[in-house]
Amino acid sequence: SQQGEEDPQALSIQEGENATMNCSYKTSINNLQWYRQNSGRGLVHLILIRSNEREKHSGRLRVTLDTSKKSSSLLITASRAADTASYFCATDAHNQGAQKLVFGQGTRLTINP
Amino acid sequence: DAGVIQSPRHEVTEMGQEVTLRCKPISGHNSLFWYRQTMMRGLELLIYFNNNVPIDDSGMPEDRFSAKMPNASFSTLKIQPSEPRDSAVYFCASSLLIRDPVDSPLHFGNGTRLTVT
Repeated sequence: SQQGEEDPQALSIQEGENATMNCSYKTSINNLQWYRQNSGRGLVHLILIRSNEREKHSGRLRVTLDTSKKSSSLLITASRAADTASYFCATDAHNQGAQKLVFGQGTRLTINP
Repeated sequence: DAGVIQSPRHEVTEMGQEVTLRCKPISGHNSLFWYRQTMMRGLELLIYFNNNVPIDDSGMPEDRFSAKMPNASFSTLKIQPSEPRDSAVYFCASSLLIRDPVDSPLHFGNGTRLTVT
């Protein structure tokens, strides 16, 4: 079954606003990663947060991880039209091997100019 | 950096035909992954290799699917015979595994869109 589940499935906001996407997972993890996928392209790695970290920043991205709730959030601040894409969380599973990433179904983000 | 290169970008074939998808990982990377993406099932890991050796093929759906990595710069995913339900986008990804897999994010190619009629 799916390890990561994103919420919402789709999000549409105005340029300049902040976008928040959530991810929930089921089993204990070593790390959680976020990827972006533009239409017709492959996934691009954005940021990785380890299980012993609670928050991480990279440019306009902020990721939080709550292992007690088995959830993570991705915040994109000051959104731009170029941020329009699908965003996926990916988790490994402790007993499955850290290289076996399982992806959620993704959040489709649309930034309106 | 040329990135992960997949070919062809699009493949349309008839049911029963053999299909071969190709992947060239990033030079120097030692891990290679094959994923399949559909609307219904999302992204599924089919198989992955470390140093050209298959490590886990539990995601390969049936015996009709096979993958090889004859050397560090080339991998193939073959479907024989193909069926309409195999229609999907197939992605190849590579990474550099040094010590801790946590520090080895995946680099994806742009995929092969397979349509089996």
